[in-house]
Amino acid sequence: GQNIDQPTEMTATEGAIVQINCTYQTSGFNGLFWYQQHAGEAPTFLSYNVLDGLEEKGRFSSFLSRSKGYSYLLLKELQMKDSASYLCAVRSSNDYKLSFGAGTTVTVRA
Amino acid sequence: KAGVTQTPRYLIKTRGQQVTLSCSPISGHRSVSWYQQTPGQGLQFLFEYFSETQRNKGNFPGRFSGRQFSNSRSEMNVSTLELGDSALYLCASQDRVGANVLTFGAGSRLTVL
Repeated sequence: GQNIDQPTEMTATEGAIVQINCTYQTSGFNGLFWYQQHAGEAPTFLSYNVLDGLEEKGRFSSFLSRSKGYSYLLLKELQMKDSASYLCAVRSSNDYKLSFGAGTTVTVRA
Repeated sequence: KAGVTQTPRYLIKTRGQQVTLSCSPISGHRSVSWYQQTPGQGLQFLFEYFSETQRNKGNFPGRFSGRQFSNSRSEMNVSTLELGDSALYLCASQDRVGANVLTFGAGSRLTVL
């Protein structure tokens, strides 16, 4: 099974950078996903990492270290619309099931 | 391309009743997964269907069931509703098992009174 940990809440100022960490323990790894979820809306896909390293997509970047069971999502040049919950999810290589962390609520203040 | 469509969006039931939720995946997607989201537990995996067959099942009681039709549309059913079943039920689709993107619907918010 999977055990996924991420901080519950983070607060940052508009224009700043925030890094959301995610650690996981898994019996078989087949990729790590980050999703963004605004209140009352569906989770939307942000990134997918299966190999070690950094994946950059505009203001958002995601990093993975499989040996450390660690990932982070980096949000740069924060905007008010980035206030949301960010979900880390790990897929098992045994059955391709996706397990989610509890989510990190990011609040961006002016 | 239309996204993942879930109906109904909101519903209120009383304890002991049963409920059926529907999910239409993105056209061409044959894999459909269901999740329960609550404030305390986060997103919990319910089950996954591919080509009308249940591939995986999460740790939920037998009151939770589902099925998938030949057009890939899926339904989930919860019988003998309990207060704790109040949650947002999310459906997600992908074009194949193990794809790099899982697309979620807006969810069905169930309130059990």
